[in-house]
Amino acid sequence: VQLVESGGGLVQPGGSLRLSCAASGFTFNIYMMNWVRHRPGKGLEWVSGIVMSGVSGPSTYYADSVKGRFTISRDDSKNSLYLQMSSLRAEDTATYYCAKSKVASSRDMVFDDWGQGTLVTVS
Amino acid sequence: EVVLTQSPATLSLSPGERATLSCRASQSVNNYLAWYQQKPGQPPKLLIYDASNRATGIPARFSGSGSGTDFTLTISSLEPEDFAVYYCQQRVTWPPLSFGGGTKVEIK
Repeated sequence: VQLVESGGGLVQPGGSLRLSCAASGFTFNIYMMNWVRHRPGKGLEWVSGIVMSGVSGPSTYYADSVKGRFTISRDDSKNSLYLQMSSLRAEDTATYYCAKSKVASSRDMVFDDWGQGTLVTVS
Repeated sequence: EVVLTQSPATLSLSPGERATLSCRASQSVNNYLAWYQQKPGQPPKLLIYDASNRATGIPARFSGSGSGTDFTLTISSLEPEDFAVYYCQQRVTWPPLSFGGGTKVEIK
């Protein structure tokens, strides 16, 4: 399993950024995928998750701190996960990790594989 | 929202000693509790899931116990590579998925 994040960088408050996570080594489309962040000097914070729900399309979930500002999406044809971030605030400064759920075809929220992370700095 | 409180915040121990880390939930999470290890500059690593199941490749010196609201991660004999920050995480009620604030295990 390999998860490689990209798209982080320095952005001004109020700005936007799109993070990507390229996945390989597993059947991407049957796993729930998530974004988890680690703010400097703080603990881990789950940000968002997405899982395919058959014909009804993907189900998405968000932490209250990012709801309405961040949008998670996935392109299973490209084995890729995305996080569109807008109206960014200083408190969104963090390393953002892409994390794979442990159990396929479920809303399992145990994360057994993580990317190396991408740093977002809002300043 | 389930709040997870980890204690102590910092644990100062020597290699070879036993480490006992606590995680308390604000309401029952049954056994849906996981533990992760994170070292500086690295992503978290899954150690334990469902309170007591070791993840693939995790050494037997790591063990988890507890149910309901009180959980423990025990490292039976600390190796040099075990000095890190440890987080608990619940998955019984989400969103939001919640993590504890972390316990740093440092070399005494």
